[in-house]
Amino acid sequence: LAKTTQPISMDSYEGQEVNITCSHNNIATNDYITWYQQFPSQGPRFIIQGYKTKVTNEVASLFIPADRKSSTLSLPRVSLSDTAVYYCLVDAVTGGGNKLTFGTGTQLKVEL
Amino acid sequence: DTEVTQTPKHLVMGMTNKKSLKCEQHMGHRAMYWYKQKAKKPPELMFVYSYEKLSINESVPSRFSPECPNSSLLNLHLHALQPEDSALYLCASSQLHGGAFYEQYFGPGTRLTVT
Repeated sequence: LAKTTQPISMDSYEGQEVNITCSHNNIATNDYITWYQQFPSQGPRFIIQGYKTKVTNEVASLFIPADRKSSTLSLPRVSLSDTAVYYCLVDAVTGGGNKLTFGTGTQLKVEL
Repeated sequence: DTEVTQTPKHLVMGMTNKKSLKCEQHMGHRAMYWYKQKAKKPPELMFVYSYEKLSINESVPSRFSPECPNSSLLNLHLHALQPEDSALYLCASSQLHGGAFYEQYFGPGTRLTVT
């Protein structure tokens, strides 16, 4: 069965680079890998999306190896306001067909 | 307008009540989603509508009944819920090309409590 796992939590300091990895051992070949940020009592907010190799936008980079069994979200210089839960979202291949599946989530805490 | 709105923000209902959650977007997105999120857990997909037709139903109990009246609106009708259905219900929308799901825009959610 497909599993989409992330580290439960990460701690960092302002100005540092943070890399959060999502392991997805069995995903659909044709769909994107997407990352979201969620603050308490709010809906998830889109960060970045990619299919393979590297994608960069104004807030993050996404690294996807050729086998697409994992992906890494890179936040270049975090600030206090980046304290949130981060989720990957993949189209996972399951025994019953494809299923849009969020990863287990990573609570990022940024301190001064 | 890149906003997905959901009403109500909070809902408390008894197990015999019938209520509806509403979601609206005006971004021209042709895919709309319902998710359920329990505390400290990731969102779980419930339903997906593609071009106003139900395309994915993740084996959700029949006490949850989705409806997509038009391309901008999505409803979730609730009937005879159980206390374990208490959760944050999130609506999202996205573009849809060739069956691939693109960036989803989420609403703020409806906090549902079943008593």
